Amino acid sequence: GQQVQQSPASLVLQEGENAELQCNFSTSLNSMQWFYQRPGGSLVSLFYNPSGTKHSGRLTSTTVIKERRSSLHISSSQTTDSGTYLCALELYAQGLTFGLGTRVSVFP
Amino acid sequence: ETAVFQTPNYHVTQVGNEVSFNCKQTLGHDTMYWYKQDSKKLLKIMFSYNNKQLIVNETVPRRFSPQSSDKAHLNLRIKSVEPEDSAVYLCASSPALLGQYEQYFGPGTRLTVL
Repeated sequence: GQQVQQSPASLVLQEGENAELQCNFSTSLNSMQWFYQRPGGSLVSLFYNPSGTKHSGRLTSTTVIKERRSSLHISSSQTTDSGTYLCALELYAQGLTFGLGTRVSVFP
Repeated sequence: ETAVFQTPNYHVTQVGNEVSFNCKQTLGHDTMYWYKQDSKKLLKIMFSYNNKQLIVNETVPRRFSPQSSDKAHLNLRIKSVEPEDSAVYLCASSPALLGQYEQYFGPGTRLTVL
């Protein structure tokens, strides 16, 4: 089965609303990254966060290893936040294993 | 700022042809990767490579092969393309193969096989 489960699959927000994206994994990991994927396919790294909490502007990532989960919080969403958010975990020397992503749509 | 470069951006070809995609990183990293994103949007690792070790995902068909001239370059060759090879191919790099390191991705090459 899928080692990385992301939820929800899609999310519709009104501008200004907050959102919480979840990533659950079924195995122990070496590291965890969150990405934003542009419509054309390129990936923007948002966080490299193997454990703990990190902040970047309106985004916050929290990874709790013992509970095998990571979350991405978007505060005060903007239309430019629309896109697909991917989490990925790295198993030891095996490259990144990605979830299917959460598609976020923010409307004015 | 882009530090992992891929060419071409797009490529359209016919079944049975050979194609080659280029990837270069200017980060001084030791390890490079190729990932494939299929029509279902799932991203999967194809190869992990440094100058000492190649790790191949066991699901990758033999017609795919990585080619490297030095640690800054990792190309991807597909010997005889099939329709199911239509996908976006993403190259990435990280400082090393072992340990906790962030991966940096290129913009991708979109392949369409007619």
